[in-house]
Parts: sequence; structure tokens; C-alpha cells
Amino acid sequence: AQKITQTQPGMFVQEKEAVTLDCTYDTSDQSYGLFWYKQPSSGEMIFLIYQGSYDEQNATEGRYSLNFQKARKSANLVISASQLGDSAMYFCAMREGLTGRRALTFGSGTRLQVQP
Amino acid sequence: DVKVTQSSRYLVKRTGEKVFLECVQDMDHENMFWYRQDPGLGLRLIYFSYDVKMKEKGDIPEGYSVSREKKERFSLILESASTNQTSMYLCASSPGAGASLEQYFGPGTRLTVT
Repeated sequence: AQKITQTQPGMFVQEKEAVTLDCTYDTSDQSYGLFWYKQPSSGEMIFLIYQGSYDEQNATEGRYSLNFQKARKSANLVISASQLGDSAMYFCAMREGLTGRRALTFGSGTRLQVQP
Repeated sequence: DVKVTQSSRYLVKRTGEKVFLECVQDMDHENMFWYRQDPGLGLRLIYFSYDVKMKEKGDIPEGYSVSREKKERFSLILESASTNQTSMYLCASSPGAGASLEQYFGPGTRLTVT
């Protein structure tokens, strides 16, 4: 079974509008972390935001927020006030367990295009 | 600034060749990872290492091996390259054992096997 599911292969959004990128996950661990990365056309992976399974508040980093719904096992990324530079691939990822000595499991990604 | 560098951005090799992809990080990170990225599949883990000379198989280790002789360097080896190994290869590193610590990625190597 897929551990990370991103059901939107591609999304369009108008500049200055907000957009939500969906991510659902599957794990039997009680302790886990969820990450979002951005990959522009240049190819580098840029870390955006992190949410731990025990964090009670949704994570926020500038224009990025993570809508964490534990019971539904969803960790959607919300980008407010979209900018042209937000056009990129976005990946949701999970690390299971409480140790950093584990790799991330990635979803298949969502390609976001911001239109002027 | 954390820096993860990879030896080549683009590489073209022939079927059957032995291929070395090198990754170096300059922040004394304990953990290093190799992923391959294919359209529609996201990133898939090939191997990782959490210490010198230690290695663990990921989800798709077949056809690959790795070497970590020094803490800062993690090499991915394709013993006999095949066309189905044409892909983008991404190296990453992360510090210590903290679960919340993100991975830092290199710029990637786009490998074409003909």
C-alpha cells in the first residue's frame, strides 16, 4: 500500500490566491513526522515545513501552513497569496518513528502552476 | 549553509558500464541517503547510511551498491548499468538522530544509460 498519496498530479492557481495541495499518509506508528518539499525546474529539493505527529498546532512557515488532520491521516499544504515563483513540483514525505536515522518516504508529487 | 554536492549534473553511460555517483556533504552529518526520482513515482530510496561503513537497503536496492568510507562521502555504484537505470539520482544528508530534522539534498545527477 502507498504510504504517501498525493492525488493531484497537477494544479493551477491564480497569482495572489491561496492553494491547497493534498497529502494523505498511512502508518501504524504513533510517532512520525511529515515534511513538504518544493522542487523548482532547476531540480533542487527545498524543505518547506515539518509537522510532528504529537504537535497539537498546525505548523506554519511564512506563507506555508500545514493543515494536519491526524484522524483523517491528512497533511495538506496550504500556500497563501501564491506567487509566480511558487510554480514547482511539491512533494509530501513522511518519516516513521522517533529517530532521524530513517529515510523519508515520498509521494508522487503535485506540479503547481501559478498563472498571472 | 549546509552543502551537499554531487559529482556530476549530467552523465551519459553505456549499457554494461560501471558507474560511480559521488556525494559529499560538508556539515558533518551522520546520515546520508541515495534516492532516484522518476516521473509519477516521486523519490524512491535506494540505500542509506547512518555511519561510516554502515549501509542499509532501501526500497529499490537491486542493481546498486554503496560505499561510505568517510563520514562526508557517500558513493552510489551501478555495477553494470542498464537502460532502466536511466533516472535522476538525488543524494541527501541529515544530522544526528532528531526525528524532526529535515534532509538536505544535493542538486541531483541526471543519468542516461544508452
